[in-house]
Amino acid sequence: LAKTTQPISMDSYEGQEVNITCSHNNIATNDYITWYQQFPSQGPRFIIQGYKTKVTNEVASLFIPADRKSSTLSLPRVSLSDTAVYYCLVGGFMFSGGYNKLIFGAGTRLAVHP
Amino acid sequence: EAGVAQSPRYKIIEKRQSVAFWCNPISGHATLYWYQQILGQGPKLLIQFQNNGVVDDSQLPKDRFSAERLKGVDSTLKIQPAKLEDSAVYLCASSLGPPAGASSYNEQFFGPGTRLTVL
Repeated sequence: LAKTTQPISMDSYEGQEVNITCSHNNIATNDYITWYQQFPSQGPRFIIQGYKTKVTNEVASLFIPADRKSSTLSLPRVSLSDTAVYYCLVGGFMFSGGYNKLIFGAGTRLAVHP
Repeated sequence: EAGVAQSPRYKIIEKRQSVAFWCNPISGHATLYWYQQILGQGPKLLIQFQNNGVVDDSQLPKDRFSAERLKGVDSTLKIQPAKLEDSAVYLCASSLGPPAGASSYNEQFFGPGTRLTVL
């Protein structure tokens, strides 16, 4: 499974756009890229997932370049409630047994200030 | 729809004691996961069930940890005996089931976790 590298922490202010980049140089052909968000005292929550190019939902956008060796989570106009830990995961379908396997790294702690 | 339920939310025990955690996944979810999250770290997968069968327990310390999922629904995770380093949040998650294939994914839904403190 591909290892991911992302910044340990980031700071932003309300109303700004936040971009968190994740490196995954050893991503495999079958791997997809998934981002989760975790608030204190809660379990992680799925934000967005993509395989290539750009994916957008009501919460965020995910940009994936053609070589797929990195990805960028974009949070538009953040608010104080976006203060959380953001995890970039690269995982794939395990042919043996047929199941998804994801490995969480340490994540990026985003602090949004007034 | 109801989310993943876990109990208890908090547990304090002394080392060498035993403890058990319970998880009720989202109805209809065939896949169930147990994670351990130590303070300041990301969740680490301990065991993954597909219905009532284990598909991955490679990171489960089997000398002290055990888990079961009877009838493919609820699950319990047990630690016996507990060590100081077992202090962590234990998260349960569930997903629909096996993905359709490569480049496919089923979102994992997490419960609130059980915070274990071993003294």
